[in-house]
Amino acid sequence: DIQMTQSPSSLSASVGDRVTITCQASQDIRSYLNWYQRKPGKAPKLLIYDASNLETGVPSRFSGSGSGTDFTFTISSLQPEDIATYYCQQYDNLLGTFGQGTKLEIK
Amino acid sequence: EVQLVESGGGLVQPGRSLRLSCTASGFTFGDYAMSWFRQAPGKGLEWVGFIKGKTHGGTTDYAASVKGRFTISRDDSRSIAFLQMNSLKTEDTAVYYCTRGVTIFWNWGQGTLVTVSS
Repeated sequence: DIQMTQSPSSLSASVGDRVTITCQASQDIRSYLNWYQRKPGKAPKLLIYDASNLETGVPSRFSGSGSGTDFTFTISSLQPEDIATYYCQQYDNLLGTFGQGTKLEIK
Repeated sequence: EVQLVESGGGLVQPGRSLRLSCTASGFTFGDYAMSWFRQAPGKGLEWVGFIKGKTHGGTTDYAASVKGRFTISRDDSRSIAFLQMNSLKTEDTAVYYCTRGVTIFWNWGQGTLVTVSS
């Protein structure tokens, strides 16, 4: 099985900060990597698909990059409403696996 | 607007059965694969299984942990996906989510809690 290592597991930042989360796959997954946001008590929401494509309606301060085994998710200017847990997910095989999540808090 | 609403969760004894429903709206249900995930207390998201649309054969696949016990089906006329769970175990206790898609999970429901306990 492909393992996804996401870091950090938690992060505290100030409004306006640039925030970066990384996800590393245990083997080459090409660009088959998605990012999701999950707020407490809410359903997960797709933000980025295929490593770098912004889902319709998602603010442009969110972005993704990478291919192969190393991927990065960035919030260019943190907003209060971005407080959530963020997950990466690979689908190089149909057994799509998730990273363990990064809990983002406001400093 | 796409909406997915799960229902049917609750408290059930080990060895019993439960059927979850996922009622969809806002898209042409029959054109999409539907997947189920779960999240046990303190654990990460675990893929449970999927069912493809009829144009892709309506095929299903399941995680090893539920294969032979869980069955996913769909009623395209009512835009509902089902998760039939038999021979439930305490380790099946989790919040269950339905999603639209099989590789990219475009939309998610809010989840329904299943508690397996005597």
